[in-house]
Order: sequence, then structure tokens, then C-alpha cells
Amino acid sequence: SAVISQKPSRDICQRGTSLTIQCQVDSQVTMMFWYRQQPGQSLTLIATANQGSEATYESGFVIDKFPISRPNLTFSTLTVSNMSPEDSSIYLCSVEGRSGGPYGYTFGSGTRLTVV
Amino acid sequence: KNQVEQSPQSLIILEGKNCTLQCNYTVSPFSNLRWYKQDTGRGPVSLTIMTFSENTKSNGRYTATLDADTKQSSLHITASQLSDSASYICVVLGLSSGGSYIPTFGRGTSLIVHP
Repeated sequence: SAVISQKPSRDICQRGTSLTIQCQVDSQVTMMFWYRQQPGQSLTLIATANQGSEATYESGFVIDKFPISRPNLTFSTLTVSNMSPEDSSIYLCSVEGRSGGPYGYTFGSGTRLTVV
Repeated sequence: KNQVEQSPQSLIILEGKNCTLQCNYTVSPFSNLRWYKQDTGRGPVSLTIMTFSENTKSNGRYTATLDADTKQSSLHITASQLSDSASYICVVLGLSSGGSYIPTFGRGTSLIVHP
């Protein structure tokens, strides 16, 4: 399966500021996914990032708040903008495996964000 | 609405004991079901992936079962170790009308193994 490097692993940020999270994959993948995991909750899909096109956002998430870049097939960033304490969560990126389809979801190690 | 329900929410066992975690789902149409282990502060790591036709799949001390008729799955951990302390997440993939795979995540079972 793919290997994902996600950074930063954690950060403490002031409200009103923005944080950009990076994910680097060791192989080319078509789709990358960004998730949020709030304390005690399951993972919630924020958006799907395809190379060369705008990200597709899930209900409740908007591009102005969570802009995503996908400049090539191995890299993506998620920015959490104008942060508030409610944005404190773990943010995870995920990719499909090389075999394609659903058989190889791999997750990054996560970014633990605390907004104060 | 697609849903994945896991039980128990949390579990505490002694090292060396066995335990079983449950996952019930209402995802349709069904593609496959996965169990992930998530250590505190880390991303989820895949344990097993089961398709419709598979009833049992093992990965070391982890054995997953799937009953597609009753839409239930279980994860059995044998001879638990302290390192098994983690959250175990059940994920069910269904097919959307557009032909893409849509994952539905359970909230996870928090397992604590005490020495």
C-alpha cells in the first residue's frame, strides 16, 4: 500500500489564523481524501481532491473555510482558515491503493490541531 | 441513510484475554467492510478487508467475520496484548449512484488492555 507523510503532526494555533496541512504520497494516486475526526467521533469526509480540478466538498464544508490544493499526483494540502476553537480536531488525509478501487485506503498519521 | 453502528463503545480487558467487537451496518449497495486500528494520535491502519463473499478473514491475532445477510461483522482479538490498546473502527464501503465508492465510518470501539 501507499506510504503517506503528513505534517505537521500537531499544532496549537490562535483563533483567526490559518494552518496548512501537507500530505506527500510515495506513489501517484488519482484521488486524495481529507477527513476530520473530532474528539470521540468517527471520521467525517471533508472533500475529495483530484489532480487538475477543483476539490469536491461534502455537505457542511466549503472551499473558503477549507481550501485544498492538488498540484500533482503525489501531493495535496488542506488549509483550515480563520480558525475557531470548534476547528480543534484531528485532520487526516487518505488515498486509494495502487490496485485502484476501494481496496487500499491508506491514511496519513494525522494532524492534531488545537485552536486557542 | 447509510449507517455503521459499533459496540461496545469502550472495553477494558486484562492482558492475555480474548475480546470481540461488533459492527452492524445498513449500507446499501454493499462493496466491502474494513476494520481499522487507530492508536492514539495516529492515523487508522487497515487490519482486514472483507468482500460480500468472504465470511472470515484473519490477520495474526485479529479475526474478522462478516454475515452479509444480517449485515453484521465482528472483530475477535485473541490473547490480547498491551499494544492492542487502541480505537477499532469499522468502515463499510458502498457504491454511489455515480459508481464511486462511499465509505461510512463507525464511531469506533475504544479498547484498553490492562496488565
